[in-house]
Amino acid sequence: DGGITQSPKYLFRKEGQNVTLSCEQNLNHDAMYWYRQDPGQGLRLIYYSQIVNDFQKGDIAEGYSVSREKKESFPLTVTSAQKNPTAFYLCASSIGQGSSPQHFGDGTRLSIL
Amino acid sequence: AQSVTQPDIHITVSEGASLELRCNYSYGATPYLFWYVQSPGQGLQLLLKYFSGDTLVQGIKGFEAEFKRSQSSFNLRKPSVHWSDAAEYFCAVLNSGGYQKVTFGTGTKLQVIP
Repeated sequence: DGGITQSPKYLFRKEGQNVTLSCEQNLNHDAMYWYRQDPGQGLRLIYYSQIVNDFQKGDIAEGYSVSREKKESFPLTVTSAQKNPTAFYLCASSIGQGSSPQHFGDGTRLSIL
Repeated sequence: AQSVTQPDIHITVSEGASLELRCNYSYGATPYLFWYVQSPGQGLQLLLKYFSGDTLVQGIKGFEAEFKRSQSSFNLRKPSVHWSDAAEYFCAVLNSGGYQKVTFGTGTKLQVIP
């Protein structure tokens, strides 16, 4: 079955450490997205990519970086510059045109040690 | 700028009772609207979507939503709630041009009591 796989499910970061969250999709979607979810704040867009080798900052990109070297993969790195990284991170993908909805992975919960 | 408001942070209903979750949006053109459901520790699952045409749309799990342009609303309904419906529900609006920007509401958490 096609879908989006996020790994790991849980991740712990030490102070000053960069960590990378994985997102892989086999839906053949062009567009991919990273969201951060905090209680009571809904979903906030971190980065998005409409095609391979191209990505754009979302509303809260500071302290994060991404790459899009393959259509199927859109990893997110949480850098040490992100001072409050504890959150639930969701990856999504869509066809990227018209009215296509976004499909979501099951998320990664990041915590600070 | 587009925006979505879900005025109810938390709703409690009895099992078997009807449900209505409110969603108001702000968007200059005809919106594309969605409802998603999220169980604890999981991703979001699409319940239904509205693009055009019939203003009453049917979704999965027995949910439906009605688009009312005059009220800028897209409320989610279910005639009889089951305990398994306990989750958080998000309304979202997608812009109809350029990059696909989706704006999500802050969510409504549904509790179902026996």
